[in-house]
Amino acid sequence: GAGVSQSPRYKVAKRGQDVALRCDPISGHVSLFWYQQALGQGPEFLTYFQNEAQLDKSGLPSDRFFAERPEGSVSTLKIQRTQQEDSAVYLCASSTRRPGELFFGEGSRLTVL
Amino acid sequence: SQQGEEDPQALSIQEGENATMNCSYKTSINNLQWYRQNSGRGLVHLILIRSNEREKHSGRLRVTLDTSKKSSSLLITASRAADTASYFCATTYYGNNRLAFGKGNQVVVIP
Repeated sequence: GAGVSQSPRYKVAKRGQDVALRCDPISGHVSLFWYQQALGQGPEFLTYFQNEAQLDKSGLPSDRFFAERPEGSVSTLKIQRTQQEDSAVYLCASSTRRPGELFFGEGSRLTVL
Repeated sequence: SQQGEEDPQALSIQEGENATMNCSYKTSINNLQWYRQNSGRGLVHLILIRSNEREKHSGRLRVTLDTSKKSSSLLITASRAADTASYFCATTYYGNNRLAFGKGNQVVVIP
């Protein structure tokens, strides 16, 4: 595809459920980022990959959050035992190099009931 | 935590007027970028200005950077209804891969 693709676009989960959010970056983009955006706020950094290596995961809010990019392309953000405070839009972005322009997907909106 | 802070938070203007937003940051930066986000959509990159640059233009956009004051401004000239969106500044710091975003400015352009 031409852009960054994220799925699902919308996810409703009951508190305690596990969720998995997928990101397909632009082909050939080495860098991949995950951000969390609460309503009315700016995106907050979660984690960064360069190819398959997770170089920075300091933004992950708890050990319930886990991200992987096993083949250096598609990435998955997994949230275990979801809590209401996890409700947010999760944005994925990719880039050819750092620190340059980021190309964002449309986001996955997670609502935890 | 947010590194950049935009001011003002919300701006409502008439079509054809200019819109100015400001952003401040706390430590020395590598570069500063501005992004636009339409409601319910992802962010779109507008412009990047490096720490050794003072001003940059792209179409109707003009960005300035004052590293002595640790601030930047984004000017949109001759605004259009389609410019209605949230605008975020974002910074990268030397030795750090992450792009740190501010809280955003909501701009409404009234036709």
